[in-house]
Amino acid sequence: AQSVTQLGSHVSVSEGALVLLRCNYSSSVPPYLFWYVQYPNQGLQLLLKYTTGATLVKGINGFEAEFKKSETSFHLTKPSAHMSDAAEYFCAVSERDSSYKLIFGSGTRLLVRP
Amino acid sequence: EAQVTQNPRYLITVTGKKLTVTCSQNMNHEYMSWYRQDPGLGLRQIYYSMNVEVTDKGDVPEGYKVSRKEKRNFPLILESPSPNQTSLYFCASSRSGERSYFGPGTRLTVT
Repeated sequence: AQSVTQLGSHVSVSEGALVLLRCNYSSSVPPYLFWYVQYPNQGLQLLLKYTTGATLVKGINGFEAEFKKSETSFHLTKPSAHMSDAAEYFCAVSERDSSYKLIFGSGTRLLVRP
Repeated sequence: EAQVTQNPRYLITVTGKKLTVTCSQNMNHEYMSWYRQDPGLGLRQIYYSMNVEVTDKGDVPEGYKVSRKEKRNFPLILESPSPNQTSLYFCASSRSGERSYFGPGTRLTVT
């Protein structure tokens, strides 16, 4: 069965610093990969996704993620954190033939210090 | 505007009192799902539907029912709610091979 591991339930960075949120998955076949963001009292918003093609994926709000098959990783980065990036971030995977069945990681809450 | 709507957004109920959370999407998506979100566990899929009258269990289906009589609607039914079903619930819809769109969430408290 697929699983997703997000290292660090909380990550704290200073405003302007690099953001790195880690995600590793277990799957025998490269899956579809997603990052979602959840702002307080809101639903989930898609940041970016990888399905095929270029392994470096650019998303909204300056975020990007790189699919590394050899490491089974899909880490999320942003060069310079803004206060508005404070939120909870979820990594998710699905099998290629069943993209409606998402398996989520436990989430990482990003705190941005002024 | 493409969207998934859920009602109610907040609900407090008592153990054993049947309730329904509605979900509707306006994107003509074939697939719809329900997830629950609990602290430290992320989101877990409860049920999903691949089309009208086609539903299947997700990872945590116990205590829940669903129906898909129309393509746009996918209600979640708790026939006898219990306190361990206190959670934040999300409905989602998608097309095959594409990303899921999520509703705003329903916060349920069962006392």
